[in-house]
Amino acid sequence: QVQLQESGPGLVKPSQTLSLTCTVSGGSISSDGYYWSWIRQHPGKGLEWIGYIYHSGNTYYNPSLKSRLTISLDTSKNQFSLKLSSVTAADTAVYFCVRLDGDDQFFDPWGQGTLVTVSS
Amino acid sequence: QSALTQPASVSGSPGQSITISCTGSNNDIGRYNYVSWYQQFPGKAPKLIVSEVSNRPSGVPDRFSGSKSGNTASLTISGLQADDEADYFCSSYIGSSTPWLFGGGTKVTVL
Repeated sequence: QVQLQESGPGLVKPSQTLSLTCTVSGGSISSDGYYWSWIRQHPGKGLEWIGYIYHSGNTYYNPSLKSRLTISLDTSKNQFSLKLSSVTAADTAVYFCVRLDGDDQFFDPWGQGTLVTVSS
Repeated sequence: QSALTQPASVSGSPGQSITISCTGSNNDIGRYNYVSWYQQFPGKAPKLIVSEVSNRPSGVPDRFSGSKSGNTASLTISGLQADDEADYFCSSYIGSSTPWLFGGGTKVTVL
């Protein structure tokens, strides 16, 4: 079964760039019909969709983050990555990498999530 | 676009049935049958328990059922068990510039 695992720094300074990588195992990131997504959860709050990338390289971003966001993929490593620039304390959250089923619009499976704190 | 509206908490005794509502609008839940529900234990990743309003993935007990009426989707947990105590989130595809909305989450407590 497909599993996802996030990795990256847990602490980022304000104004710097948050960088996370998601490693996909048990399946290919090049599979048709699946979109590789990032979702975040602010402490004690709900979920926010960040963006996705398809194996073709096509991306789609949350408009509220688009100016600061880059999602890329490395098919040779079966990985996809997130870069969020000019971070502030408001970007402190648990970041999840998730597979989106493009036909039926549900998110499954999820990575375990990684807490990223923005602080000096 | 505002988040979908869920009650902050719902509680019930073991064996009882509880229902969690997820209210949206004509532009999301009312328009699309792409409502999904997720179960999340503290410190863990959300797990899909219902997709497309009422479909249960393999391995999810049939005690969990989803439905929709108008702009409101619902998740019913029948035969409530202690290990159902968790947070539950709904999500809907909305087909706009931000294609997916989530609810604020509902904490289920088993009394």
